[in-house]
Amino acid sequence: AQSVAQPEDQVNVAEGNPLTVKCTYSVSGNPYLFWYVQYPNRGLQFLLKYITGDNLVKGSYGFEAEFNKSQTSFHLKKPSALVSDSALYFCAVRSKGGSYIPTFGRGTSLIVHP
Amino acid sequence: DAGVIQSPRHEVTEMGQEVTLRCKPISGHDYLFWYRQTMMRGLELLIYFNNNVPIDDSGMPEDRFSAKMPNASFSTLKIQPSEPRDSAVYFCASSFTLTSGEQYFGPGTRLTVT
Repeated sequence: AQSVAQPEDQVNVAEGNPLTVKCTYSVSGNPYLFWYVQYPNRGLQFLLKYITGDNLVKGSYGFEAEFNKSQTSFHLKKPSALVSDSALYFCAVRSKGGSYIPTFGRGTSLIVHP
Repeated sequence: DAGVIQSPRHEVTEMGQEVTLRCKPISGHDYLFWYRQTMMRGLELLIYFNNNVPIDDSGMPEDRFSAKMPNASFSTLKIQPSEPRDSAVYFCASSFTLTSGEQYFGPGTRLTVT
């Protein structure tokens, strides 16, 4: 079985400050990991993914995520938050050798204050 | 490309009525997914198709739910009869392959059953 935990329902950060949205996972074997963003009244949009290689993955809109195998984590980061980054963020995981269908976390609401 | 198209964007209906949600995937994408999003349960996969064939419908909550994909450019999700607990946002997503993992989501249909 595969699962994802996003331990924070909400993250608050001031504009210009660095942000981190946390994600931990459980999967058999090696993982494929994903981050998606959902703006109000919109569908989920793909941000970035980790499949193999460099543990630091860069994605859209200046976001990056760091894969940590020992801690089974894939935290989303951005050096300087923008008010427009306020949205719902979803982490997803699937096993490389198992189900091709990713499991999504419950989502974390990011609020960036001016 | 216009992206994944869903209609209607909003649907309000009375308990017991039939509801049909529609989806047009991105041209060339071989996989189509139907998801349901609620505050209580998060994002749930209901069913997915490969080349118009249903592959896994284990997420369909009960027999009141049915999905079809008569051709590569159109899919429907039908609820008959609808119940208030079906109120949710229903997303359709498509992808070119399963192995890459990225899915492209439509804007969703917000269903309210009174």
